[in-house]
Amino acid sequence: DAKTTQPNSMESNEEEPVHLPCNHSTISGTDYIHWYRQLPSQGPEYVIHGLTSNVNNRMASLAIAEDRKSSTLILHRATLRDAAVYYCILRGDSGNTPLVFGKGTRLSVIA
Amino acid sequence: SAVISQKPSRDICQRGTSLTIQCQVDSQVTMMFWYRQQPGQSLTLIATANQGSEATYESGFVIDKFPISRPNLTFSTLTVSNMSPEDSSIYLCSVEDTGAGNTIYFGEGSWLTVV
Repeated sequence: DAKTTQPNSMESNEEEPVHLPCNHSTISGTDYIHWYRQLPSQGPEYVIHGLTSNVNNRMASLAIAEDRKSSTLILHRATLRDAAVYYCILRGDSGNTPLVFGKGTRLSVIA
Repeated sequence: SAVISQKPSRDICQRGTSLTIQCQVDSQVTMMFWYRQQPGQSLTLIATANQGSEATYESGFVIDKFPISRPNLTFSTLTVSNMSPEDSSIYLCSVEDTGAGNTIYFGEGSWLTVV
């Protein structure tokens, strides 16, 4: 599986936007970029995924670089409940494969 | 999205004993996966469990230590055998929901402490 690189930790003020970066320079043409987050004492939660175009949903936005070697998860307005570990994961388009987790980024939100 | 229930949610186990974790899904799924998350660490894949076939284990995990059953499309069990304190972890069940674009969903985890 292609590897992703994320900062170990980030900090944000409440009600401000958060941009979580992810580098995936060895991404293949058929790899989707998935983001999950794990809140304290919970299992991982799906956030968003995309292939080439930017994606938006009720939780977040995903901005994908034109060369697909990096992406950014955007939380438009951080709340205390967004404090979690965020994982950027590559997964082939065919499905039928598990997610391979890296260390992720631990996001702290300050009131 | 698939809803996943795991039992037990938490347990304290004696060294040398075995514990079976159950994973129940509210819809039929082909692909199920079991993960381990050691304290302060990320998730590590233990095995893939498909109905009707033996589980496929990742490097470092063996069937004798982590036997898995997958009797139907909505249920699976993971047994942690002959436990030691090093097995103290969160064990997570996950499924691929083909009805939701092959998105993978996770249970809340089973928190095991071995004393």
